[in-house]
Amino acid sequence: GQQVMQIPQYQHVQEGEDFTTYCNSSTTLSNIQWYKQRPGGHPVFLIQLVKSGEVKKQKRLTFQFGEAKKNSSLHITATQTTDVGTYFCAESYDYKLSFGAGTTVTVRA
Amino acid sequence: EADIYQTPRYLVIGTGKKITLECSQTMGHDKMYWYQQDPGMELHLIHYSYGVNSTEKGDLSSESTVSRIRTEHFPLTLESARPSHTSQYLCASSEVTEAFFGQGTRLTVV
Repeated sequence: GQQVMQIPQYQHVQEGEDFTTYCNSSTTLSNIQWYKQRPGGHPVFLIQLVKSGEVKKQKRLTFQFGEAKKNSSLHITATQTTDVGTYFCAESYDYKLSFGAGTTVTVRA
Repeated sequence: EADIYQTPRYLVIGTGKKITLECSQTMGHDKMYWYQQDPGMELHLIHYSYGVNSTEKGDLSSESTVSRIRTEHFPLTLESARPSHTSQYLCASSEVTEAFFGQGTRLTVV
């Protein structure tokens, strides 16, 4: 599998503001999946991107796959307290599912 | 809600004991995974399987072993537990895309 790097490691956001977290790879990714893990919980699947340049939206969340398929981003608009948690990107490759280190998001009310 | 179950949820055990963490899914998924995760930290893939009688080591070296005798069952065994094995162990399964996770087993070795 590939090694995916996520930045930033921590994101402290004022409620109502927007933020973006990034997932980068030095090699071409087969696909990219995004998961959210609430504090004390288990990871929950959000979305998968497969095509170069693909953009998908889920309410306030926008997911993008880079043209070269080496990076991906998750943009959240108008952050709410329910957005608290750790967001992981992952690549499914050769029967493996390998995760990045995650971005842990805290929200200031 | 996904049908993947892990038992026990919490386990405190003494050094040197043999333990087996259970993971079962009723979705008929071929692919199953074990991850090790310290609180608030990265998910490390330690074992995976793509079907019955197939098991592979993951990205993180682990002293644990796994078996896949039945599609629905993917137990993880530690022959001799050590304090360094203290962590949370998460099991997951998938078919095509989405991976479903169990609630995890929080293991403490004293």
